[in-house]
Amino acid sequence: GAGVSQSPSNKVTEKGKDVELRCDPISGHTALYWYRQSLGQGLEFLIYFQGNSAPDKSGLPSDRFSAERTGGSVSTLTIQRTQQEDSAVYLCASSFPTSSVGELFFGEGSRLTVL
Amino acid sequence: AQSVAQPEDQVNVAEGNPLTVKCTYSVSGNPYLFWYVQYPNRGLQFLLKYITGDNLVKGSYGFEAEFNKSQTSFHLKKPSALVSDSALYFCAVSPMIKAAGNKLTFGGGTRVLVKP
Repeated sequence: GAGVSQSPSNKVTEKGKDVELRCDPISGHTALYWYRQSLGQGLEFLIYFQGNSAPDKSGLPSDRFSAERTGGSVSTLTIQRTQQEDSAVYLCASSFPTSSVGELFFGEGSRLTVL
Repeated sequence: AQSVAQPEDQVNVAEGNPLTVKCTYSVSGNPYLFWYVQYPNRGLQFLLKYITGDNLVKGSYGFEAEFNKSQTSFHLKKPSALVSDSALYFCAVSPMIKAAGNKLTFGGGTRVLVKP
């Protein structure tokens, strides 16, 4: 596709359920990022994948959060045993890591609401 | 660890007037600095960046930003605001080291409202 694609665009779930959020980056982009945007707050870094290197997981808020990237392309962010404080918009971005420094291409996000 | 501060939650400006959105940063060593914009119900879009060289950086849609090392600031400016500039603006920083990749630290965002 032409841009970063995220699904679902909206997800409502009950507290304690697991959710999976998907990101399909721009073709050829080797770097992929997940950020979280909470109401009234800025963007919080979650995790960063670069090629075949070990991901930078330093932003994951708890062990309930995990992410994987299969085949260097599509990524899935999984939140286990969701809590109400997990409610946020989860943004995925991709980029070329060594050129166009800092120019991340963002998807439109997945809005998660935990009841 | 790096950080970004955007001291104003909202900026109101009349159409045609100058627009300034403030940003200060903290980072070890030299910074890469960025501005992104988020229009309603849209993803974030890159506006401009400072890497090195001229302190005044020009970007998309007539926006510019000035890097001030002594004040650790990177304020976003537009000489004449348009109603269509109403959006959420984010400043971001990355340390100038290869290991950081493109991992950006964002500020809390400033909502700009341009009134006709």
